[in-house]
This record gives sequence, C-alpha cells and structure tokens, in this order.
Amino acid sequence: GAGVSQSPSNKVTEKGKDVELRCDPISGHTALYWYRQSLGQGLEFLIYFQGNSAPDKSGLPSDRFSAERTGGSVSTLTIQRTQQEDSAVYLCASSLRGSDSEQFFGPGTRLTVL
Amino acid sequence: DAKTTQPNSMESNEEEPVHLPCNHSTISGTDYIHWYRQLPSQGPEYVIHGLTSNVNNRMASLAIAEDRKSSTLILHRATLRDAAVYYCIPRLRIGNDMRFGAGTRLTVKP
Repeated sequence: GAGVSQSPSNKVTEKGKDVELRCDPISGHTALYWYRQSLGQGLEFLIYFQGNSAPDKSGLPSDRFSAERTGGSVSTLTIQRTQQEDSAVYLCASSLRGSDSEQFFGPGTRLTVL
Repeated sequence: DAKTTQPNSMESNEEEPVHLPCNHSTISGTDYIHWYRQLPSQGPEYVIHGLTSNVNNRMASLAIAEDRKSSTLILHRATLRDAAVYYCIPRLRIGNDMRFGAGTRLTVKP
C-alpha cells in the first residue's frame, strides 16, 4: 500500500511569502505529526494531530506557523511571511494510533527561503 | 518529557555486533522506549520499541535495564546499510509526539 506522501518535494520561495506544505498520511492512520529538520540538525517536533484535533501545538516556533487536518486525513502546514530561518526539510509522519504504534515518515518537503 | 543521553558517534566494523546505549534516567513508568534511525537523505524509520521486557525483531534487539533508566539497541551483524543516526525516544503511552534528541551517528566500516 501507499506510504506517507508529501508535496511539494521541493519549494523555493522568497522571504515574506506564504507557503503551504501538504501531507497525505497512510489511510486509516489516526495520528499525524509534523517535524522539521534544519541542515545537519536533529528533528524538531512541530505539531501532533489525533483525528482532526491538535492536542499538542507546543512545538510551533511562532504564530506564523499553523496547521490543520481535515477529514481525519490530509494535513496542511502553512507558514506565513516566511523567513530565511524557516529553511529546512519538513517531515510528516502518521501512525495507526498514538504513542505505542510505529510512526511512518514521508519523504519530506525541502523548503528554501531566499 | 524524559531526557535522553546518547553518544554522539560510534564506529563498527561490518559483520560485527553493535551495541548502541541510551540513558533515560527520568523516564516515567508509562513511557515506552522507541528507537528510530535516519539513513542519509531519508526520513526516520522505526527500528524497535519496548516497555519493560527485552524485545527482538528482524532488524534489531532492544535490551532494557531492570530499572528502565537505560536501554541498549543491539544490531547483531552490522552492514554498510546500517550506517545512520540512531535515536532513542521515550514516549508517553497515551498518544503524544516524539521528541528526537541528537542521536548517535553510527559509522560502519567495511
């Protein structure tokens, strides 16, 4: 079956523009996670969804970042007024349930802010 | 969140066993211990997880100390494909995020 997919795979944008990153989780997975990874760094947790609700938004770095999930499936991460420090690979993962189940990661979206 | 301590890097020879340690002294009684790895230019992938008992799967074994303050991921025969960053992650039992630390960068020499 299909794994987690993310689009676009690469995004180059100018400072100050808004961007939307999409994640399609594995069908039937109730939990969805967003992370980001700056060059040469470890993963940074951003937000977690259980169904359509986000009980933990503590990792969002600023109010320029927002995310939503609709229909218990697709999720969109939006970054408004992008800054150069937002450049990173944004990874999405999904899992069947919560923390006792394996997370499956997508290939990521590489965001470059010029 | 429970804090973890892992060596920054380790080296192994191909075909030899590798023991990757992790200290998680602040772990709570309900935290699972998960291990993930990230191969170069890829997203992380699940390796193994456990709660109290030692666990085995086709990829690795997980040895958990009796007091659960540390664990060791065991790769029985390292291959070149096992070169990756290995992350040890305590996770709450009830649905939550994963907080990745810096991990251990494993280098496998032919």
